Amino acid sequence: AQSVTQLDSHVSVSEGTPVLLRCNYSSSYSPSLFWYVQHPNKGLQLLLKYTSAATLVKGINGFEAEFKKSETSFHLTKPSAHMSDAAEYFCVVSVVTALIFGKGTTLSVSS
Amino acid sequence: EAGVTQFPSHSVIEKGQTVTLRCDPISGHDNLYWYRRVMGKEIKFLLHFVKESKQDESGMPNNRFLAERTGGTYSTLKVQPAELEDSGVYFCASSHRTSGKTYEQYFGPGTRLTVT
Repeated sequence: AQSVTQLDSHVSVSEGTPVLLRCNYSSSYSPSLFWYVQHPNKGLQLLLKYTSAATLVKGINGFEAEFKKSETSFHLTKPSAHMSDAAEYFCVVSVVTALIFGKGTTLSVSS
Repeated sequence: EAGVTQFPSHSVIEKGQTVTLRCDPISGHDNLYWYRRVMGKEIKFLLHFVKESKQDESGMPNNRFLAERTGGTYSTLKVQPAELEDSGVYFCASSHRTSGKTYEQYFGPGTRLTVT
């Protein structure tokens, strides 16, 4: 069965410092993985996706994620946090066409 | 290009009443999905339409939920009768036709349903 585990429910960083949001996945075959973001009172927005091409995936707003099969991880990173990055982030695995979501990580950014 | 739209944005109803949620996908997207997030839980898949046909409804919680997509355009999700545990945010998403590729799903802003 496919699943994702987001290891932190809440991450707090200072503006200008690096961001690391951790995600482990479980899949019986080569998965398609995504990161989505939801800002307050907004819909879910796709940040980036991995579909068995390059293992380092670049997304929007300076975010990137690295697919590590040996560690079954797909962590999301950004070199320098901005106040506008404060939101809830979801790690997602695709099962045929349905998406399975992690529980979400709330990112807080302080000035 | 207009995104996925959902109506209403909020709905407050009493237990036992009926509520109908509407989703308008991005024009030309054959695939339409419904998801739900109950408070404190993860977002969960409810069902998937390909055009007007239900491709997968394995996530529908029970027979009080009825989804339709007449004509393969917009979709409605009816809850009848509503129960307290139905409260949550209902998301709709759409994507291009799948043919061996994984297309990203574009999400609407959600409908927040509160059952009192």
